[in-house]
Amino acid sequence: AQTVTQSQPEMSVQEAETVTLSCTYDTSESDYYLFWYKQPPSRQMILVIRQEAYKQQNATENRFSVNFQKAAKSFSLKISDSQLGDAAMYFCAYRSAYLYGGSQGNLIFGKGTKLSVKP
Amino acid sequence: DGGITQSPKYLFRKEGQNVTLSCEQNLNHDAMYWYRQDPGQGLRLIYYSQIVNDFQKGDIAEGYSVSREKKESFPLTVTSAQKNPTAFYLCASSIGWSEQFFGPGTRLTVL
Repeated sequence: AQTVTQSQPEMSVQEAETVTLSCTYDTSESDYYLFWYKQPPSRQMILVIRQEAYKQQNATENRFSVNFQKAAKSFSLKISDSQLGDAAMYFCAYRSAYLYGGSQGNLIFGKGTKLSVKP
Repeated sequence: DGGITQSPKYLFRKEGQNVTLSCEQNLNHDAMYWYRQDPGQGLRLIYYSQIVNDFQKGDIAEGYSVSREKKESFPLTVTSAQKNPTAFYLCASSIGWSEQFFGPGTRLTVL
């Protein structure tokens, strides 16, 4: 079974600075998807960024980028020019690209990292 | 506007009662999911449905039931058999291999 581990329960960053959130995962599959979701105090889950395992290029969305190391099974999120609105819980998630018994690969989540942004 | 709606936002249940959480989407997504979130935990999958009239148990299905009679709707019933139902419940939907989109959630509290 696949697992996702976020080893940093809490992180803090100064406004305008850069912060990196860690995520490692365990799988024997070769094709899968990785996601970072943001959950602000409103508790709405918002997709931040997505990475396909077969793509070597790291995904980027504005101030958010990932460092995807497939061999090391690592998927870290870098937030540049941090803003107060970035304060939230961040969840790393894994999704298989294979079908098992009708499943299209449900999301497997890590336990999250709480990010605080200091003004 | 397309999206996922969940109701109610807050729900209170007495011991021994069954309650139903609503989830509706107008995104024309085939797949829908129910997750439970507890403090300090990630999301855990309760049930999912890939097509109408079909659904599968997730990791923590005991004490819960679902139905999928319409593509747009995937209600979750928390039965009296669920021993610790107080949690935040999130509904999501997706199409094909794409990412999942989430509703705003329902906070269930047992009195």
